[in-house]
Amino acid sequence: NAGVMQNPRHLVRRRGQEARLRCSPMKGHSHVYWYRQLPEEGLKFMVYLQKENIIDESGMPKERFSAEFPKEGPSILRIQQVVRGDSAAYFCASSPQRDSNQPQHFGDGTRLSIL
Amino acid sequence: AQSVAQPEDQVNVAEGNPLTVKCTYSVSGNPYLFWYVQYPNRGLQFLLKYITGDNLVKGSYGFEAEFNKSQTSFHLKKPSALVSDSALYFCAVRAFSSGSARQLTFGSGTQLTVLP
Repeated sequence: NAGVMQNPRHLVRRRGQEARLRCSPMKGHSHVYWYRQLPEEGLKFMVYLQKENIIDESGMPKERFSAEFPKEGPSILRIQQVVRGDSAAYFCASSPQRDSNQPQHFGDGTRLSIL
Repeated sequence: AQSVAQPEDQVNVAEGNPLTVKCTYSVSGNPYLFWYVQYPNRGLQFLLKYITGDNLVKGSYGFEAEFNKSQTSFHLKKPSALVSDSALYFCAVRAFSSGSARQLTFGSGTQLTVLP
């Protein structure tokens, strides 16, 4: 499967625990974007990363949320000390070039549920 | 700041009839415009895009969209709807040249239901 791979598909955490969401971009793509979708809403941008660099994190909450895209391995979205309001679907997208007009390709998302 | 409005939360159409899903946008400079479709418990699938050129853009599954600069609209259309087109549709925009901002701004989505 050459698409964007996200895992896990579903993640259940208790309040106060940590959640780690992983995203492997499409082959040949070097740019990753994370979006959050709350129930009955559209996708909201969180962060845009290139290998080993955060390019734009203007959509990330200031506390508890962090993201990385290391030289080797998948991109990770990390949520510390989760709260009920973090329950959402988190989508990763990738694109081949920073200034390309190519569309972003999306994974199937991770559905995070906080008990 | 860029924004997208999808004025209809829900669109119902009979199978075989034409469908239109509306989208208007606001962006500084020239826009990149996209339509995506989302099926239940899945990610977004790309349908079509407008970058430059012809105002009528053809995409996947028989969908097309018309870019109207004066009305800042990018409505999605299909001449003959199928029941299998029933899904959630999102319009998205990004500025053509926006410094470090490469993210897409999405509308709130329109649920399309095609009735047999």
